[in-house]
Amino acid sequence: QKEVEQDPGPLSVPEGAIVSLNCTYSNSAFQYFMWYRQYSRKGPELLMYTYSSGNKEDGRFTAQVDKSSKYISLFIRDSQPSDSATYLCASQSSASKIIFGSGTRLSIRP
Amino acid sequence: GAVVSQHPSWVICKSGTSVKIECRSLDFQATTMFWYRQFPKQSLMLMATSNEGSKATYEQGVEKDKFLINHASLTLSTLTVTSAHPEDSSFYICSARERWDSEQYFGPGTRLTVT
Repeated sequence: QKEVEQDPGPLSVPEGAIVSLNCTYSNSAFQYFMWYRQYSRKGPELLMYTYSSGNKEDGRFTAQVDKSSKYISLFIRDSQPSDSATYLCASQSSASKIIFGSGTRLSIRP
Repeated sequence: GAVVSQHPSWVICKSGTSVKIECRSLDFQATTMFWYRQFPKQSLMLMATSNEGSKATYEQGVEKDKFLINHASLTLSTLTVTSAHPEDSSFYICSARERWDSEQYFGPGTRLTVT
């Protein structure tokens, strides 16, 4: 079993839709949860960072972590074509290496 | 945010030759640098972690004699793929952090094609 599981998609939605991306993880020691956005042939960039359970909002993006169910979510409101990318969830325990999900390819149709 | 650069961005080499990839932190001193490999439609897999002035720590299954990592300064790490073969063709990404509790910043990646 992978430590971080993510549906690879692809996911295609119309512009303006709400996008929901999800991951599950298995390691109870994970405390830090991240979402990275990776455009084609580019390195990943940190989008959202959450410590422990709870919600975090940044503009059109909301990250949710539910440690009781080991579930990580990213919501994108008012999706734009420029949001088309691969989204990687990631988790980490204190001072350990980052474990990445396999990434979900998202396409926003104009 | 901080910037990490990689050079080259794309390289083609012949089977059996060696290729060096550079990773630089441009506006901060990176005590730790990481090297990842990403195959098409797959996630980033950590290959090794290097601390400035120390030998790199390799992940299980990664051949340290094939993937030579040097972290000689606080702003530069290099990955040398020795005796490259077509199966080494991949997207190599480095990342760097200033302290153990700092954010990891990722480089833009280097696409290696071995013919």
